[in-house]
Amino acid sequence: LAKTTQPISMDSYEGQEVNITCSHNNIATNDYITWYQQFPSQGPRFIIQGYKTKVTNEVASLFIPADRKSSTLSLPRVSLSDTAVYYCLVGDLTLGRLYFGRGTQLTVWP
Amino acid sequence: DGGITQSPKYLFRKEGQNVTLSCEQNLNHDAMYWYRQDPGQGLRLIYYSQIVNDFQKGDIAEGYSVSREKKESFPLTVTSAQKNPTAFYLCASSKRGISTDTQYFGPGTRLTVL
Repeated sequence: LAKTTQPISMDSYEGQEVNITCSHNNIATNDYITWYQQFPSQGPRFIIQGYKTKVTNEVASLFIPADRKSSTLSLPRVSLSDTAVYYCLVGDLTLGRLYFGRGTQLTVWP
Repeated sequence: DGGITQSPKYLFRKEGQNVTLSCEQNLNHDAMYWYRQDPGQGLRLIYYSQIVNDFQKGDIAEGYSVSREKKESFPLTVTSAQKNPTAFYLCASSKRGISTDTQYFGPGTRLTVL
């Protein structure tokens, strides 16, 4: 099972770009990489998903190098409301192989 | 509004009692999941179901049981065999249960065993 490692916490200021990296050295061929955002006492919310190279949507970008052993979530111009825990999930839903890391607490300061 | 509902939001039980957590979805999703989250920890998969009347154990199924008699419902029972049941329980669903699916999560149930 692909275990993931993320920084425990990060700090940023409003308007800055934030990059959160997740290591997943044992990722399997069929595993996808998905990032979720979680606010206190709520369920996680989907941010972005990728398999390789770069994926971009309206809220974030996801960079995955060729060896897929890590991934970086990029949040452009963060605001106070982006203060949350961000989880990297690696796995294969088809097989029920799903591993959430311990998450990164991002705190955005004014 | 489509979504996932979990009830109740807070639940208290005495040690040794079984308790059932409710999870309902009206998204017409085939797959449903139960996770457990402890303070400062990530989510750990308890059980998942990709189709009605079928479910599979996740990483930490011991002490838990589930049923999937209807597509929209996936209740989780925390039995007295679960050694440390106090936790935040999250239910999720996804459209087909395949790798590219997005999981949609409910608001969670915080269970406290006294």
